Amino acid sequence: EPEVTQTPSHQVTQMGQEVILRCVPISNHLYFYWYRQILGQKVEFLVSFYNNEISEKSEIFDDQFSVERPDGSNFTLKIRSTKLEDSAMYFCASRTDGKNQPQHFGDGTRLSIL
Amino acid sequence: GQNIDQPTEMTATEGAIVQINCTYQTSGFNGLFWYQQHAGEAPTFLSYNVLDGLEEKGRFSSFLSRSKGYSYLLLKELQMKDSASYLCAVRTTSGNTPLVFGKGTRLSVIA
Repeated sequence: EPEVTQTPSHQVTQMGQEVILRCVPISNHLYFYWYRQILGQKVEFLVSFYNNEISEKSEIFDDQFSVERPDGSNFTLKIRSTKLEDSAMYFCASRTDGKNQPQHFGDGTRLSIL
Repeated sequence: GQNIDQPTEMTATEGAIVQINCTYQTSGFNGLFWYQQHAGEAPTFLSYNVLDGLEEKGRFSSFLSRSKGYSYLLLKELQMKDSASYLCAVRTTSGNTPLVFGKGTRLSVIA
């Protein structure tokens, strides 16, 4: 069964450094999302992406964050200057067309900011 | 605002049936999803309801009442591997909208 794949599985970074989290959505999917989950808390929406542009973003997704689809397969989340509170599990999700279609999640990248 | 409530924890016995409730108050409603999440892993899709009633999928069933803002996930013939968090998530409008998640219910299945 096709999967959403994310790399790296774990990223440790010094505060203030830039990080790029990578995702390869399922190949025929058209809608892409980033969510985060701080340890012990609920899954929170960051940004959605369709047709090479951001569809919607949450209050969390401030100017430090950006997303890109640099080619036909990758979907990246960049955090420009990381803060301690950015430590979380970051999940990429994708879905195909059709309003009833569920979002399929990758295994996540655990981001630890020191 | 968006509010989705689920019990924090539940415990049930192997072989039994358990019902996990979810209530929601959201700015709109365009479907409710249940996901299973094992510790440290990705949420995996279990079920979807957009109309009132029961959807059955093997050992898992999900029910929705839109007028009451209420859903439940029913797990039958519980197995140890069902120990996980169960996440209730609402899509508030049609189109490319994100899911709004509850905090999840941690289910422990004991022998």
